[in-house]
Amino acid sequence: GDSVTQMEGPVTLSEEAFLTINCTYTATGYPSLFWYVQYPGEGLQLLLKATKADDKGSNKGFEATYRKETTSFHLEKGSVQVSDSAVYFCALSENAAGNKLTFGGGTRVLVKP
Amino acid sequence: DTAVSQTPKYLVTQMGNDKSIKCEQNLGHDTMYWYKQDSKKFLKIMFSYNNKELIINETVPNRFSPKSPDKAHLNLHINSLELGDSAVYFCASSLGQGDGYTFGSGTRLTVV
Repeated sequence: GDSVTQMEGPVTLSEEAFLTINCTYTATGYPSLFWYVQYPGEGLQLLLKATKADDKGSNKGFEATYRKETTSFHLEKGSVQVSDSAVYFCALSENAAGNKLTFGGGTRVLVKP
Repeated sequence: DTAVSQTPKYLVTQMGNDKSIKCEQNLGHDTMYWYKQDSKKFLKIMFSYNNKELIINETVPNRFSPKSPDKAHLNLHINSLELGDSAVYFCASSLGQGDGYTFGSGTRLTVV
C-alpha cells in the first residue's frame, strides 16, 4: 500500500538557518504530494502541493519539488523564523475514489532565536 | 468565518460512555473526512464521505459510526468508549480528487 516516510525530529535550528525536511513515498500510481503544517493546538494547514513530476510547490518561503525518479518531495526553506516552529507533515493522495490522504509521521521543527 | 468547524474542542468522559463530535463546513466541498491523531502525532484516516455517501471506512471498530445528514455536515458518534480511543480527532473537507484538505481545529478526546 501507499506510505510516506519523513525524517524523525525534532529538528532544532537557529533563526535564519536553512531548513530541509526529507520526505520519500511509496505509491502504485502517480500521486499528488502535499506538505501540511500544524502549529501547537491547531489543525493542519495546507502549506504547498505538487500534482505531477518536476512540479515545484511553494508558499511562505517554503519549497518542495516532486521528484519521481527518487520518489521524494523534500521541504526546504532558506531562512527560518521562530514562527516556523511547528510540526510538518508530508502526505500523498493517489487520486482514487475517496481522495484519501496518507500522511508521514510528522517532523517537529523548533527554531530558536 | 470558520471554514471547517468541529465541536466540542475538548471532551473528557468515562469509559463505557457514548459521545458525539460534530463537524460542519461552509466551503461547499463535496467530500468530508474524519482522521484520528494519536499521541505521537500519527494521523490515520477513519472515514470519507462524498455527498453524504460513505466512500472510505478504514477498518474502524463498529463502535464508531459516522453520519452525514447533508454534504456540509459529518458527525462522529462513538459508543462504549475505551481508553484507547483517547486521541485528537480531526474533521476535514476537500473539493475533489487531488485537492488538499481543509482541516478543523480538532477535538481532543480523553477517556478516563
